[in-house]
Amino acid sequence: DQQVKQNSPSLSVQEGRISILNCDYTNSMFDYFLWYKKYPAEGPTFLISISSIKDKNEDGRFTVFLNKSAKHLSLHIVPSQPGDSAVYFCAAILYNQGGKLIFGQGTELSVKP
Amino acid sequence: ETGVTQTPRHLVMGMTNKKSLKCEQHLGHNAMYWYKQSAKKPLELMFVYNFKEQTENNSVPSRFSPECPNSSHLFLHLHTLQPEDSALYLCASSQDGLAGAGGNTDTQYFGPGTRLTVL
Repeated sequence: DQQVKQNSPSLSVQEGRISILNCDYTNSMFDYFLWYKKYPAEGPTFLISISSIKDKNEDGRFTVFLNKSAKHLSLHIVPSQPGDSAVYFCAAILYNQGGKLIFGQGTELSVKP
Repeated sequence: ETGVTQTPRHLVMGMTNKKSLKCEQHLGHNAMYWYKQSAKKPLELMFVYNFKEQTENNSVPSRFSPECPNSSHLFLHLHTLQPEDSALYLCASSQDGLAGAGGNTDTQYFGPGTRLTVL
């Protein structure tokens, strides 16, 4: 049973437009959420995070929104750049399970010039 | 060298071979992790070490044997693997691996991974 789901395996966006990556989760007890970016042949790189007590966190072009009632998380990238093309993973942490990270399957973003 | 490094980057082995994957972190972190990523699947946590002690074994077969001699180094010893074990093996570290540590101390930083192929 997958607790963190990214239902879109891929997304294609034009350079300069907004990219919206979505993530749904089933466990309302998750304490903390993170987004990672992964380029081919590299490990995932931490991008941005949000605590479950907040509904928005912004860092430059990246904004993460959390809707706890809908158990939904989204990552907005604006404006999108070709260098943003990568696989994006959302992940969630349950502190009472030793802080274990639970990952979604990933969404491959392609930003076209 | 900075961050989290892994060697080798690529490994091809037969089912009867014994090999080891190595991970080293230069971040002064106290927790280290092994993950497996198979094609089209989420990253799967395998093992967690906090302050050199194993705190999580996520039902991993005994043909995978971790070793953590100190907070900076983590090994994954491989023995009599199966072709379905072929995957990308990722090492990560975090400042704390303890429940309730909260916030940024839980953020995990990943190495580049070892692409393993079992013939």
